[in-house]
Amino acid sequence: RKEVEQDPGPFNVPEGATVAFNCTYSNSASQSFFWYRQDCRKEPKLLMSVYSSGNEDGRFTAQLNRASQYISLLIRDSKLSDSATYLCVVNPEDSSYKLIFGSGTRLLVRP
Amino acid sequence: EPEVTQTPSHQVTQMGQEVILRCVPISNHLYFYWYRQILGQKVEFLVSFYNNEISEKSEIFDDQFSVERPDGSNFTLKIRSTKLEDSAMYFCASSQDRGGEKLFFGSGTQLSVL
Repeated sequence: RKEVEQDPGPFNVPEGATVAFNCTYSNSASQSFFWYRQDCRKEPKLLMSVYSSGNEDGRFTAQLNRASQYISLLIRDSKLSDSATYLCVVNPEDSSYKLIFGSGTRLLVRP
Repeated sequence: EPEVTQTPSHQVTQMGQEVILRCVPISNHLYFYWYRQILGQKVEFLVSFYNNEISEKSEIFDDQFSVERPDGSNFTLKIRSTKLEDSAMYFCASSQDRGGEKLFFGSGTQLSVL
């Protein structure tokens, strides 16, 4: 089983749509979770951290289900500028320095 | 906003040659990292560096790879004898704290091994 697994997409949605991405992780000891955004051939950029209680940042909502080892990202009112690849990222254990990246889910927002 | 800078943006080399990729992390950051991304694949961790020593490394980071912080500002990745499969985008990153919160990436060096 892959350490971090995502649906590769692409998700092709119209402007204004709501879209949800899912991610599963294999290591139940994982402590920290993040969503990063990556534009084509650019560096990953932190979109938001994911907390156990769920958290929201404007149009973006992240949820964590530790029992199912499942993370989600909801984007409301999609903008053209949201078109990118969304990376689910996990810090596998508290003592680890590394981040494990999923392969990403590609989002295309059309006019 | 402070940023991580990497040079060069593109590097072309012949198989078997040594390359050094350079990075200037954000000045008050304490943790430094190298990641790589082969075209069309996921971002992969190579190595982390803290307190002037390697704190963690992946299986990819074998004897052909080394890192150094030669002065107070630069952080380098050296590949001693490049292979075709080393062709990738190499990202340097830095953070104030360990673990991923507020990890800042540089814009990357595209390494092409011919």
